[in-house]
Parts: sequence; C-alpha cells; structure tokens
Amino acid sequence: DAEITQSPRHKITETGRQVTLACHQTWNHNNMFWYRQDLGHGLRLIHYSYGVHDTNKGEVSDGYSVSRSNTEDLPLTLESAASSQTSVYFCASGQGVGTEAFFGQGTRLTVV
Amino acid sequence: GQQVMQIPQYQHVQEGEDFTTYCNSSTTLSNIQWYKQRPGGHPVFLIQLVKSGEVKKQKRLTFQFGEAKKNSSLHITATQTTDVGTYFCAGDRGTALIFGKGTTLSVSS
Repeated sequence: DAEITQSPRHKITETGRQVTLACHQTWNHNNMFWYRQDLGHGLRLIHYSYGVHDTNKGEVSDGYSVSRSNTEDLPLTLESAASSQTSVYFCASGQGVGTEAFFGQGTRLTVV
Repeated sequence: GQQVMQIPQYQHVQEGEDFTTYCNSSTTLSNIQWYKQRPGGHPVFLIQLVKSGEVKKQKRLTFQFGEAKKNSSLHITATQTTDVGTYFCAGDRGTALIFGKGTTLSVSS
C-alpha cells in the first residue's frame, strides 16, 4: 500500500548542529509539505513543494531548508538547530492543489 | 498573510452532548478541509467543502461552508468517547493548506 513515512520518529540534538528529517512518500504525489506542531499554535507551514526542483517558503521558514530532487522525498534540514525548534514535525503529501493531504506519523525533535 | 482562526481552543463535554467548532478566514477560500488528530497521532482528513453554503454529513458529524466562503463549522451530535481529539480546519487559497490552531475536544463518560 502507498504510504508516507518520516524518519527518525524521535531525535535529540544539540544546539548548533545540523539536522535533517526525512520524508518519503510512495503515492507519486506532486505536492509535499512540512509543518511543525506546537502547543497553542496548531500546525504551521514551514516549506512546501509542488514538484521536483520546486520549493516554497511557508509562514515559519526561517532556519529551515528543503530540497526536492525526486518526487518521493522532501527532506527538511535545520541548518543550525535552536531550542526554539524543539517541536513535532509533520510531513504531508497531496495529489494537487485543493486535494486531501496525507500526513506522516511525525518526528519529535528535541534541541538541547 | 492568510489567517485561519478557530474557536474554541478547548471544549469539554459529557458523553451524549453536542459539540461545535468554528473556523473563520480573513480571506475567501477556494475550499476548506477538516482534519482530526487523535492524541499522539497525526492529522487525518475528514472532509472537503468547496461550494458556497455547502453542507455535508458523515454519520454524527455535520460540516458547513459559509455563503461567503470565509467561515465553516463542524458539529458533532451526541458525542462519544471515540470523538476525543483535536479538530483542525484548513483553508486553501490555491497555494498550500493553512491550518487553524485546532479545537481540542475531551469527552467524559
């Protein structure tokens, strides 16, 4: 069955380190998204992509980057992790604009 | 930027009571989607509304999209303990989904 998977599920890292969170989907969806979820803030959009080599900034993109070299993967990189980036990160994918989004299981990141 | 506001933030009900969450956008939406996230889980798609004034039902859940396509509501009739979770609306202006902060529903039996 098609799916979307995130790895790792949990990670602890130190302030200043570079961290990459993986997202892989097997639906062949063009659209992929990264959100962070924090108590009291809901789901906030970090970056999104409409296809290979396309990336766009969301509402909270500072300190994060993404690259889309193929349809299946959209890794999220924290260039220099900060404690403010401690959060739960969700990746999602969708067939097109205005269609249902499928979410991964999430990655809980702690920056110490 | 686009804002999607959702109220209330939290709601506790007794099992069997009704529950409603409201979603308002600062701009007209092309469509609105609703998601449910169980505690410790990930958001799962419930429904999408596209037409002005649209009403859709899923068993005990009723979803409405406002005439101006700026607001929406989710109503649950006779809540059950299985309804526990956070309900999110997400607005789509043709770019990416922008989520409200969600309404967390707790139900006591």
